[in-house]
Amino acid sequence: QQQVKQSPQSLIVQKGGISIINCAYENTAFDYFPWYQQFPGKGPALLIAIRPDVSEKKEGRFTISFNKSAKQFSLHIMDSQPGDSATYFCAADSNYQLIWGAGTKLIIKP
Amino acid sequence: EPEVTQTPSHQVTQMGQEVILRCVPISNHLYFYWYRQILGQKVEFLVSFYNNEISEKSEIFDDQFSVERPDGSNFTLKIRSTKLEDSAMYFCASSEWADPRRSPLHFGNGTRLTVT
Repeated sequence: QQQVKQSPQSLIVQKGGISIINCAYENTAFDYFPWYQQFPGKGPALLIAIRPDVSEKKEGRFTISFNKSAKQFSLHIMDSQPGDSATYFCAADSNYQLIWGAGTKLIIKP
Repeated sequence: EPEVTQTPSHQVTQMGQEVILRCVPISNHLYFYWYRQILGQKVEFLVSFYNNEISEKSEIFDDQFSVERPDGSNFTLKIRSTKLEDSAMYFCASSEWADPRRSPLHFGNGTRLTVT
């Protein structure tokens, strides 16, 4: 119940395309859903986050879509750029403890 | 921008040896964390620390692990007797508040621990 399932494990997208990464959870006590971006050799860094009282949050080219009834949320990267190539982790928080997805390695081909 | 710094960047040790991983959190942060990431796998919570005490710890954080804030700036993770399966990237993180909605976790660049 504490798991967050993330897919796909890896993703290759052409420059300018839309990258979509999906996550699903079971625990309805989760009430905060951040996405982290990790470049090789670096620690994860917060990219964007959403609370379950909204269905969508957009920051620049990055959008989180949230479906509370389906217990799913996804990250959309519009106009994907080579600089977006990184590993992306979704996470869910309950009682100030983050549960992480397994990560998606995203490669944007020029 | 202030950063969490971790040393060393890579540590190689023999099985059964003790290792200490060091972290300097961001100076005005009060909450400190250790996470680990086995190569290519998910990020796993180990322990959180506040006010010189462990706040939470995971099942991974057994008696072989300990944390300490020996002075006003450093935050250390000690593994008493390393096992092969302890090989991983260890990340230190800090935050101003416990609630990630109020302040995000800031991660260091990690220490790659290799146990041979």
